[in-house]
Amino acid sequence: AQSVSQHNHHVILSEAASLELGCNYSYGGTVNLFWYVQYPGQHLQLLLKYFSGDPLVKGIKGFEAEFIKSKFSFNLRKPSVQWSDTAEYFCAVTYYGNKLVFGAGTILRVKS
Amino acid sequence: DAGVTQSPTHLIKTRGQHVTLRCSPISGHKSVSWYQQVLGQGPQFIFQYYEKEERGRGNFPDRFSARQFPNYSSELNVNALLLGDSALYLCASSLGTTSTGELFFGEGSRLTVL
Repeated sequence: AQSVSQHNHHVILSEAASLELGCNYSYGGTVNLFWYVQYPGQHLQLLLKYFSGDPLVKGIKGFEAEFIKSKFSFNLRKPSVQWSDTAEYFCAVTYYGNKLVFGAGTILRVKS
Repeated sequence: DAGVTQSPTHLIKTRGQHVTLRCSPISGHKSVSWYQQVLGQGPQFIFQYYEKEERGRGNFPDRFSARQFPNYSSELNVNALLLGDSALYLCASSLGTTSTGELFFGEGSRLTVL
């Protein structure tokens, strides 16, 4: 079965620290890749997506992610986090078009 | 512009009952997907409807059913509720199918089964 693994369930960082959240997926064919974010009290919203082309994609609020096909990975990065980045982050992958498979999520807490 | 709206936001049922959850997509969106999110896990795909036809079904029992209406709103029905059905049920809409674009999520309906 298709699956998405997120390496850390909880991450605590101080403001200005760099962030990298790991994401690996199991399928070896063509996939579309997403990172969604859920801020406290808000609904899930898209952070960035990769369909094809440049494997380094940039999203909102200074986030970026790199698709490494050989490693089945799509890691999320931000050079310097802010307190307002405190949220839960979900990596997600589409297999066969219509089904979006989510990872278990990573809760990020940024200390001010 | 109104986002995806879901109702009710919270509800409590007892085992064996049935529940109907409703979703109105963003205006112009023709696809609605349903996800179940259990505490501590990511959302799990239940159904996708596009232009009123089922386009995808996740690994859920037949107690779960859904439909999409001519105005593209959708209902998710769950029969014979079990304790394990307690979860946040998310509706998401999109212009087309999932592979071509972004999903826009609603706030969810939190179901508690006692």
